[in-house]
Amino acid sequence: KAGVTQTPRYLIKTRGQQVTLSCSPISGHRSVSWYQQTPGQGLQFLFEYFSETQRNKGNFPGRFSGRQFSNSRSEMNVSTLELGDSALYLCASSLSGGGNTGELFFGEGSRLTVL
Amino acid sequence: SQKIEQNSEALNIQEGKTATLTCNYTNYSPAYLQWYRQDPGRGPVFLLLIRENEKEKRKERLKVTFDTTLKQSLFHITASQPADSATYLCAPFDRGSTLGRLYFGRGTQLTVWP
Repeated sequence: KAGVTQTPRYLIKTRGQQVTLSCSPISGHRSVSWYQQTPGQGLQFLFEYFSETQRNKGNFPGRFSGRQFSNSRSEMNVSTLELGDSALYLCASSLSGGGNTGELFFGEGSRLTVL
Repeated sequence: SQKIEQNSEALNIQEGKTATLTCNYTNYSPAYLQWYRQDPGRGPVFLLLIRENEKEKRKERLKVTFDTTLKQSLFHITASQPADSATYLCAPFDRGSTLGRLYFGRGTQLTVWP
């Protein structure tokens, strides 16, 4: 069974640009969450999508957005990049349904560097 | 405000010893708590989950305890090995949250030396 796939793995952007990151969850998983990880702040929740609907959002500015497609694949976008957006962006999927205890399956992450 | 504190940023122990990591939380009412392992440059990997009505959970060399009165979880690795070296994250699942949203501690970086 394939794991969570994130692309690209590494990217370098300059301030003011925008970036789109992609995430393919494990087959059958309908919940996709995004997290930002930095040395200073640790893992911070960005948002969660379930059946194409955003059902939870973290405390990030509106420059951070996302969406989920009907096949559960998800993308997140960051516009007007700032130096502080440099981070490891992690996507996680989880199995929905009764009895699910919320175990998250993470991808390897997309390492974004903003110059 | 909600807070998760893991005992120390780094823990160094000798191979064969038991590593004990602490997770304290405040202003949470977790239905359960999860522990993850993260290696450098990789995504976290789920290890164990313990529910609020469980005092202890074991999996091979791993043991987790959960004390909702103390608001604390302890994570033990017995007979530790250098391959156990990694960062360990605790994540209490808040009752008011949705499945995909976990609040993570900063993690404890464990180094096991031969």
